[in-house]
Amino acid sequence: EIVLTQSPGTLSLSPGERATLSCRSSQSVSSNFLAWYQQKPGQAPRLLIYAASSRATGIPDRFSGSGSGTDFTLIISRLEPEDFAVYYCQHYDDSPMYTFGQGTKLEIK
Amino acid sequence: EVQLVESGGGLVKPGGSLRLSCAASGFPFSSYTMNWVRQAPGKGLEWVSSISSSSSFIYYADSLKGRFTISRDNAKNSLYLQMNSLRAEDTAVYYCARVHDYGDFALRYWGQGTLVTVSS
Repeated sequence: EIVLTQSPGTLSLSPGERATLSCRSSQSVSSNFLAWYQQKPGQAPRLLIYAASSRATGIPDRFSGSGSGTDFTLIISRLEPEDFAVYYCQHYDDSPMYTFGQGTKLEIK
Repeated sequence: EVQLVESGGGLVKPGGSLRLSCAASGFPFSSYTMNWVRQAPGKGLEWVSSISSSSSFIYYADSLKGRFTISRDNAKNSLYLQMNSLRAEDTAVYYCARVHDYGDFALRYWGQGTLVTVSS
């Protein structure tokens, strides 16, 4: 069973700053099957990144994903006020079956 | 425009049953794998189940231990989740979600969710 561990649990930053969110897998996974989601209070999650580094349609280019093996990263280059939310990484396979990380809360400092 | 609208949530007693529905529109429903994902109050996301376009392949989270059944009716553009032997820990918002594309199973479209509360 794959376990995804996200860090930090909470990240406090100011608008305009750069955010780096980490997702570590308990075993090596294909980068083709790693996604990132954003969720704001009271809303459904929104797909940001799929296949580790591909932005979903309509996602601003300040969001970027990278990584391989067991270590993956979501970077938000310059935080906008609307970016403060909870972010989840997710592994999926070609069944598909899915595993989510526990989330990183990005809050305004 | 892709739309997913869940319904069927509500208050149910422990041990009871509930059937959730998800009405899909704006895309060829019969061509896409669909999923249920849940989120307990104040907690993270938990994948529940997936079903392939023709219902040939069905998968569940291990934690459900056979209590939930996913199904779909492509003629009605609808996805279902039959939940039996409900427990307090099944209390959550349940989302239906469509995969991104034929070749990628990230969850691109989500409904607004329906709340299931299991309490006596």
